[in-house]
Amino acid sequence: DAGVTQSPTHLIKTRGQQVTLRCSPKSGHDTVSWYQQALGQGPQFIFQYYEEEERQRGNFPDRFSGHQFPNYSSELNVNALLLGDSALYLCASRSTGAGEKLFFGSGTQLSVL
Amino acid sequence: QKEVEQNSGPLSVPEGAIASLNCTYSDRGSQSFFWYRQYSGKSPELIMFIYSNGDKEDGRFTAQLNKASQYVSLLIRDSQPSDSATYLCAVNMREGRGGSNYKLTFGKGTLLTVNP
Repeated sequence: DAGVTQSPTHLIKTRGQQVTLRCSPKSGHDTVSWYQQALGQGPQFIFQYYEEEERQRGNFPDRFSGHQFPNYSSELNVNALLLGDSALYLCASRSTGAGEKLFFGSGTQLSVL
Repeated sequence: QKEVEQNSGPLSVPEGAIASLNCTYSDRGSQSFFWYRQYSGKSPELIMFIYSNGDKEDGRFTAQLNKASQYVSLLIRDSQPSDSATYLCAVNMREGRGGSNYKLTFGKGTLLTVNP
């Protein structure tokens, strides 16, 4: 049973560029959330997708957008990258009908130069 | 602003001792509480969750919840060097009803070092 998978594992971009990160949820999970974890900080909630719609959003600017596909996989897009966007981006999934446990992928380490 | 607070540590304990990790949260309406372990360079791994006041034990781990004091803790008995990691406290500060309205608010984490 595959867990939450993310790609790529590492990414280097320059300021102003755009990036797309991808996530496949754990088998049987239908809800995907994205978190940003800066060095030395806890993960911060970006947004959550369920039934292909953004259901909740954290305190992140509109440069951060996402999408969920019919197979429950998800993408996180960040436009006009800033140096401060450098962080570990974590995707997490859960099943809405099976409790509240959230499972994280291994993350994408984004470096903005 | 809804917050989760943890001592950043580092907390250093000898092998075999009990490690006690603490967390407070600001949203009195919070319903569910989680402890994640994160090794350096890795993603968070769920180790305990608790919904009701009192203690919940799982192997060497015990989670304790006191909703009146808005306090949750994690005890690790017989600490091992392999327990050395950052422990993240997370709280579900649900902002709506229904399974789709769910987000975790994390503390900054406590770095635990278990010395052989």
